[in-house]
This record gives sequence, C-alpha cells and structure tokens, in this order.
Amino acid sequence: DAMVIQNPRYQVTQFGKPVTLSCSQTLNHNVMYWYQQKSSQAPKLLFHYYDKDFNNEADTPDNFQSRRPNTSFCFLDIRSPGLGDAAMYLCATKGGKRQETQYFGPGTRLLVL
Amino acid sequence: QQPVQSPQAVILREGEDAVINCSSSKALYSVHWYRQKHGEAPVFLMILLKGGEQKGHEKISASFNEKKQQSSLYLTASQLSYSGTYFCGTARNVTTSGTYKYIFGTGTRLKVLA
Repeated sequence: DAMVIQNPRYQVTQFGKPVTLSCSQTLNHNVMYWYQQKSSQAPKLLFHYYDKDFNNEADTPDNFQSRRPNTSFCFLDIRSPGLGDAAMYLCATKGGKRQETQYFGPGTRLLVL
Repeated sequence: QQPVQSPQAVILREGEDAVINCSSSKALYSVHWYRQKHGEAPVFLMILLKGGEQKGHEKISASFNEKKQQSSLYLTASQLSYSGTYFCGTARNVTTSGTYKYIFGTGTRLKVLA
C-alpha cells in the first residue's frame, strides 16, 4: 500500500549527464516537496509545489529543476550533475494548507561518477 | 535558520532514558519530530502545535515551550529499535503558496546498545 513512491531507488549517473528522478503519490495531496539529504546532514528543502504553483528555495542551484505534470507525479531534473550532487533525494507530500505531517517516499540515492 | 539540537550524539544501554533538545533562534509555531534509520526516509513521530503541549507515542513523548522556542523529546526505557537519527523540524508559512514548508533541525544520532 505504498502511498509515496520514488523511482528509481538507486541511480548512478556520470558527471554532467542529465538525470531525472520521479515521485508519485496515491494520496491526492496538493503539496509535494523535494529534499536533498547529504550524508550525516538534515534533509534540505529544494522546492515545493502547491498544486501546479512552483516555489523555489532561494539557495537551490539553477542546476535543479522540477516538473509536476499532474497531482500524482512530480519530477526532479538535475541538468548537469556534479560530484557534490551525490545525495539521497526525498519526495514528500502533504494535503492542504494546514500544518499537518508530511508523508515521505523511500528516497532515491544518487551516485555521480 | 535551522533549529539546533543537542546532544549531537548519544549512546545508551537498553532500558535507559534519553532527552533530545531542539532550540530555535526564530519563533516556533509548531514542532515536528522524526526518526530516520540509516538509508531510509524520515518517519514522522509527532507534531506539537501549541505552546506547552505535550504528546506521547509509546514510550516516546515530547514537550514544547513556545516562549523559550524550545522542544524536548523524551525516550524512556529505550529499546534497540530506537536507534537512529532524530530530527526536530518546524513549519514556516509560505505566503506565496499559502501552505507550509518544513525546516529540519541539525539532528541527534542515538545508538541503543544491548
């Protein structure tokens, strides 16, 4: 009964080769978040959507883009991955505008060679 | 700014108690607590929305002092399964989207030994 699904779970890419990570949800939640988590650090918010409205964090590098074609799916595109982009990427969802819990997917671990 | 947690790491024997503190330099309107095991996503433990609120989850409970901008997580009679990294988090209202975004604290690594 997975509610937030991320594919793939592990992704290996080459330095500079574009990569796309995907997230899907069965919760019909309005809000979707993308976090980057590096080793021994806290998750760091990259951006979020409220429905189709995109909200970028000020310090998210331009190298990171996102698409949300419909309520269920959200994609993270890394245009030219560098070695420093190797991390766990977490997708999370939340319903509505209240301060409720967010539901995390299992994450995609990205390795850049 | 990111909430600061203390201690950074703690080692316990099974059955011992622990307290993890979370402190913010900005006003806290809510506090969320998560536990994350290595290689896995964070798991939500509880949310505290009001100052002075205390909540419990099995043998894990938390308090929230809105005035001091602090929260504490209490683990009693710890079990091996409690091992992991604990994060506090707080919500920030995003005026452009009308919803909330979440800022995680610095984290506390907890290891329970048999």
